[in-house]
Amino acid sequence: EAQVTQNPRYLITVTGKKLTVTCSQNMNHEYMSWYRQDPGLGLRQIYYSMNVEVTDKGDVPEGYKVSRKEKRNFPLILESPSPNQTSLYFCASRDGQGQSSGANVLTFGAGSRLTVL
Amino acid sequence: AQTVTQSQPEMSVQEAETVTLSCTYDTSENNYYLFWYKQPPSRQMILVIRQEAYKQQNATENRFSVNFQKAAKSFSLKISDSQLGDTAMYFCAFMIYGQNFVFGPGTRLSVLP
Repeated sequence: EAQVTQNPRYLITVTGKKLTVTCSQNMNHEYMSWYRQDPGLGLRQIYYSMNVEVTDKGDVPEGYKVSRKEKRNFPLILESPSPNQTSLYFCASRDGQGQSSGANVLTFGAGSRLTVL
Repeated sequence: AQTVTQSQPEMSVQEAETVTLSCTYDTSENNYYLFWYKQPPSRQMILVIRQEAYKQQNATENRFSVNFQKAAKSFSLKISDSQLGDTAMYFCAFMIYGQNFVFGPGTRLSVLP
């Protein structure tokens, strides 16, 4: 089944304790992205990657890191989490070569609810 | 900057009735895609419908259809014969070809029995 898998789904941690949220896709998509969802703000992009070893900042990158060493994986790293990073996080991927009818649709993971105390 | 506005934070509709969710966007580009995503209580993001800006014909998917007005930069979603399972948060989004998605703040829809 074509899917984006992210883990953990739920996490409660304390301020300053480094954590990593993993994301993996099995669709051979070149583009991957991380979003955070907060009430009234919709989804805001944290980081994205156009291909292996190519990453770039989104709208709210502060406090986050990413890496793209393999095409299928795009982990999100919080080096020193703070309470304002309490949020619902989504990883997503898409194909996006050209303008074919199947391209450019974002496929999302199931979401990771993170609470930082 | 590209922006998406959904002016209705919350809406409700009776089961079997029709409801329209509003979305406007701002871009100076000419080639882009528009989307509606649904997020039920399970939190999963599900694609409802997609429209390519160069196509004049409005997209339809079963009970879901859009009213795409390119000049007005408007992209509303109509849900016909509403069902309890349509209760969800609905996000409007657009994407310029090959670039990033931009999402609106969402409209919470409740379908009432």
